[in-house]
Amino acid sequence: QQQVKQSPQSLIVQKGGISIINCAYENTAFDYFPWYQQFPGKGPALLIAIRPDVSEKKEGRFTISFNKSAKQFSLHIMDSQPGDSATYFCAAIRMDSNYQLIWGAGTKLIIKP
Amino acid sequence: NAGVTQTPKFQVLKTGQSMTLQCAQDMNHEYMSWYRQDPGMGLRLIHYSVGAGITDQGEVPNGYNVSRSTTEDFPLRLLSAAPSQTSVYFCASSYGGHLDQPQHFGDGTRLSIL
Repeated sequence: QQQVKQSPQSLIVQKGGISIINCAYENTAFDYFPWYQQFPGKGPALLIAIRPDVSEKKEGRFTISFNKSAKQFSLHIMDSQPGDSATYFCAAIRMDSNYQLIWGAGTKLIIKP
Repeated sequence: NAGVTQTPKFQVLKTGQSMTLQCAQDMNHEYMSWYRQDPGMGLRLIHYSVGAGITDQGEVPNGYNVSRSTTEDFPLRLLSAAPSQTSVYFCASSYGGHLDQPQHFGDGTRLSIL
């Protein structure tokens, strides 16, 4: 039972372009939506996160857009760079589940120079 | 700070063997978790702990045991290894009890069961 659906599975973007990764969730009880970035051979690391009462959050070249009514959120990477090549995971957390993360399946992003 | 340390980094087992994956953190985090990562499936929670002496099952606990005798350590035991347990295993820790506290991950243990 996949509570957080992530797309696409893989994505190739030219250097300088915009990378967009989408996620959709089913449970309206989720309280927090983080994105994690994972490089090969490493564990995931928190990239950026958003609360459901905010429609957008920007940190440098990374922006989360959140649509509460559609139960969707997305990660935008502006001016994508080869160093952004990694696997990206969206996730969701509920306070009443001991703050455990529910993960999307991941998107492998490749930025072509 | 070492952060979250997992050992070993790689391991090959035969079906039926047992082993323990080690995880240690030096950040005094209350929450610790074990995940397995399989292609196309993201991370799935195996077991987690909200403090020393307290553990609970996650999404895929069968075939695995955990214990938490200290704040620092959270070992994962495979009782009788099966090929279906071939995966990359990640340990994570966090302060817990707060939405905006990130999970800190180790670099993983790559486990193959023959």
